[in-house]
Amino acid sequence: DAGVIQSPRHEVTEMGQEVTLRCKPISGHNSLFWYRQTMMRGLELLIYFNNNVPIDDSGMPEDRFSAKMPNASFSTLKIQPSEPRDSAVYFCASSLGRVFGGYTFGSGTRLTVV
Amino acid sequence: GESVGLHLPTLSVQEGDNSIINCAYSNSASDYFIWYKQESGKGPQFIIDIRSNMDKRQGQRVTVLLNKTVKHLSLQIAATQPGDSAVYFCAGGSGYSTLTFGKGTMLLVSP
Repeated sequence: DAGVIQSPRHEVTEMGQEVTLRCKPISGHNSLFWYRQTMMRGLELLIYFNNNVPIDDSGMPEDRFSAKMPNASFSTLKIQPSEPRDSAVYFCASSLGRVFGGYTFGSGTRLTVV
Repeated sequence: GESVGLHLPTLSVQEGDNSIINCAYSNSASDYFIWYKQESGKGPQFIIDIRSNMDKRQGQRVTVLLNKTVKHLSLQIAATQPGDSAVYFCAGGSGYSTLTFGKGTMLLVSP
């Protein structure tokens, strides 16, 4: 398996633009997580899907953020409109369960909003 | 361990030394813990896990110790190598929650 695949690896965009981050989880994994990583706040869970259904989106910072999982092999995280404070590394992770066995992370998308 | 603000706690060791990285957790309901390693430009990578019914677990060159009484977790790396240089995170959770990650500790190994 190629692991969790994220695209793009890097994204530079202007404030106010829409940004879409993409994730392909490991085949057979039924849980998918979106995390944001910054030096100030560390790894923050944004949203958690189980069997393609959003279970916990309490970490989504505000309405500008939205996430979808239309099928078991694809998820998107969208920011519209983007702001400079959204600059961070965004990770997607997948797993077979909520906790046990841990999560497999993708390589991340480094987002810079100027 | 835990960190506040912009700076990660940093542990600097010489190649060949043993390293010990510590982590305190606050949720007494957590019954499963993982150590992750994150190299620059990469996502966190699973190293070793431990369940709360154990107090020690060993892997290849790594040992995790769990002290539930004081809610403390440690990762011991034997014969540390330059390739071990990375940020190390502890994470904990239970069957009723998702994993919560600590802020991380940077390990710097000099040859």
